[in-house]
Amino acid sequence: QSVLTQPPSASGTPGQRVTVSCSGSSSNIGSNYVYWYQQFPGAAPKLLIDRNNQRPSGVPDRFSGSKSGTSASLAISGLRSEDEAVYYCAAWDDSLRGYVFGTGTKVTVL
Amino acid sequence: EVQLVESGGVVAQPGGSLRLSCAASGFTFGDYTMHWIRQAPGKGLEWVSLISWNSGRAYYADSVKGRLTISRDNSKNSLILQMNSLTTEDTALYYCAKDIRTYSWYSGFDSWGQGTLVTVSS
Repeated sequence: QSVLTQPPSASGTPGQRVTVSCSGSSSNIGSNYVYWYQQFPGAAPKLLIDRNNQRPSGVPDRFSGSKSGTSASLAISGLRSEDEAVYYCAAWDDSLRGYVFGTGTKVTVL
Repeated sequence: EVQLVESGGVVAQPGGSLRLSCAASGFTFGDYTMHWIRQAPGKGLEWVSLISWNSGRAYYADSVKGRLTISRDNSKNSLILQMNSLTTEDTALYYCAKDIRTYSWYSGFDSWGQGTLVTVSS
């Protein structure tokens, strides 16, 4: 039940700023927190952003999150080659009574 | 250090059953809601189910409702997913994950295991 929409891909050169959008509805992003996860090939996802814009301990401050209405965004500033990964947004959905994930965005460093 | 270790993934036939387990350590298991999340080969993440810290609440994705049952044993720090009436659509890597905050079920998940692979095929 993937009801959060993300662009399939995003890219930038080293040092650039890249943003990933996540679009939902009033029952998920519009009324609940958004979380962001980073996943490398063959590895489990890692929590990147907690409660819309909070960085867990150990996450570089190059990563930032924001939310407005029924949409959210993840920004990566000072892009580095090690940021190449797939990024997912997630939120609780009050109507579905479950979590929904975004479709995932592959970030490529050119 | 939080550790989550899943097991039980096998090759199963359509219509069959299997039981996944997740052994937890490094935190007070009985204080946290636990989740199962799956990822089909080459696909995105799909939340499957959650069970609250005291087993008082359990929620399921529509795609698994009525076929999968989540349970936990706090005395053994163990999370279980009983899977019945398997279909090929259940083929995926199954992760268990811990809720971020105590006594909550909608605060997201932080720690994840490495997953156990379920393949449903005839």
